[in-house]
Amino acid sequence: SQQGEEDPQALSIQEGENATMNCSYKTSINNLQWYRQNSGRGLVHLILIRSNEREKHSGRLRVTLDTSKKSSSLLITASRAADTASYFCATDAGANNLFFGTGTRLTVIP
Amino acid sequence: DGGITQSPKYLFRKEGQNVTLSCEQNLNHDAMYWYRQDPGQGLRLIYYSQIVNDFQKGDIAEGYSVSREKKESFPLTVTSAQKNPTAFYLCASSIDGAGTEAFFGQGTRLTVV
Repeated sequence: SQQGEEDPQALSIQEGENATMNCSYKTSINNLQWYRQNSGRGLVHLILIRSNEREKHSGRLRVTLDTSKKSSSLLITASRAADTASYFCATDAGANNLFFGTGTRLTVIP
Repeated sequence: DGGITQSPKYLFRKEGQNVTLSCEQNLNHDAMYWYRQDPGQGLRLIYYSQIVNDFQKGDIAEGYSVSREKKESFPLTVTSAQKNPTAFYLCASSIDGAGTEAFFGQGTRLTVV
């Protein structure tokens, strides 16, 4: 399977702390994306990082990509209760569609 | 407003019945996708379409069928051949499918009763 794997499966932190989630994948990619899903809802795109980029920022989000290790990390700084959701990485794996990981369930405690 | 709309939000099906889930987008996107999500799991690709009148099987296409007669619409039929259809179904679209940003609908939760 080309599906990625997120780590940890679940993460619980206090409001104000930083949250770090990791994603590993198996094949070469053109880009890697991170999505957020609130319970029972559709996914929302957060950020896309291309294979020739190593780091990207968007607001409180910081994404890194290490193609030699086939891994990526998503850092959410100064977390808020509203950040509570599941976070998924997705890769194109050189194909014309997206392959999603299993997700990290983040809980931010007020 | 531009977006992608799935209907209905909740759907109940009796065993042995076929049921069709609707997905419509007004984003002028070429590519559309159907994913299945089981509780606490990631998304698994059922079918995808890069262009009108063309579609490809994903990882778990057995027991499902699709059509793409119009650019805006990509309905998914869950047939009686699908042995375990109870799940959350998500439709998505993207500009050209080449790993570009995907826009998701709000999902349809299908329950077999």
